[in-house]
Amino acid sequence: DGGITQSPKYLFRKEGQNVTLSCEQNLNHDAMYWYRQDPGQGLRLIYYSQIVNDFQKGDIAEGYSVSREKKESFPLTVTSAQKNPTAFYLCASSANRVTTGNTIYFGEGSWLTVV
Amino acid sequence: AQSVSQHNHHVILSEAASLELGCNYSYGGTVNLFWYVQYPGQHLQLLLKYFSGDPLVKGIKGFEAEFIKSKFSFNLRKPSVQWSDTAEYFCAVLGAGGADFGNEKLTFGTGTRLTIIP
Repeated sequence: DGGITQSPKYLFRKEGQNVTLSCEQNLNHDAMYWYRQDPGQGLRLIYYSQIVNDFQKGDIAEGYSVSREKKESFPLTVTSAQKNPTAFYLCASSANRVTTGNTIYFGEGSWLTVV
Repeated sequence: AQSVSQHNHHVILSEAASLELGCNYSYGGTVNLFWYVQYPGQHLQLLLKYFSGDPLVKGIKGFEAEFIKSKFSFNLRKPSVQWSDTAEYFCAVLGAGGADFGNEKLTFGTGTRLTIIP
C-alpha cells in the first residue's frame, strides 16, 4: 500500500533525553513536513523539506532537528531543549509544492509523552 | 502573516441536520484554501480544496465549501449529516505569492470537533 508510515505510534521519554520519530513515505513525493498538534491549537509546522538534503524551519522549530538524506525518509528529533515536547506529531508529504495544486497527505501520527 | 480562525470549537448535531462550520482567514493576497477531516483513530484526510475558479467547491462525502473573498471566509457545509461524519475538521490556508509563497507554510485553524447524535 502506498502511504506515509510513522513510528513509533506511542513513545514515552524521560526528561532530558532526545528522541527520534521516524517518517517514511513510498509515494515518491518530493516534499515532506512535520507538524505538531496540541489540543485547542490546531497543527503547527515544525520543519519541512522540499527536496533531498534541504530543509527549512517552520513556525516552531526550536528544540527540534531533522534530516533529509533520502527522498522517502524525514526523521524528526525532539531534543532535550524542547520545553514542552509532549504532543501528537504528524508527518506529511506532497508531490511538490502545495502552491502548484498538490495536496498534502498525512501519516497516522506519533504520540510522544515526556515523563 | 496568514492566520485561520475556526470559531466553533465543538458542534453537536442530530443526524439529518444541516451543517455549516465557519472558517475565516487573514491574508492580503491570493489564497489556497483547504478543509481536512480527522476521523477518530485515523489520519488527516483532505475533504476539499480551493485553488482558483468556481468559488463553490465540492469535496468527498457530500461536503462542499464556498470561498467568499469579500468576507475572507471558506465555510464548510453539508445539507444532511450522518453519524459517520463525527470527526474533527480543520480549515487551512496557504497564502500564494506572499511572504510564505514557496515556503509551504500551510497554516491550520484550531479545529472543530463535530459530534453527530444518531
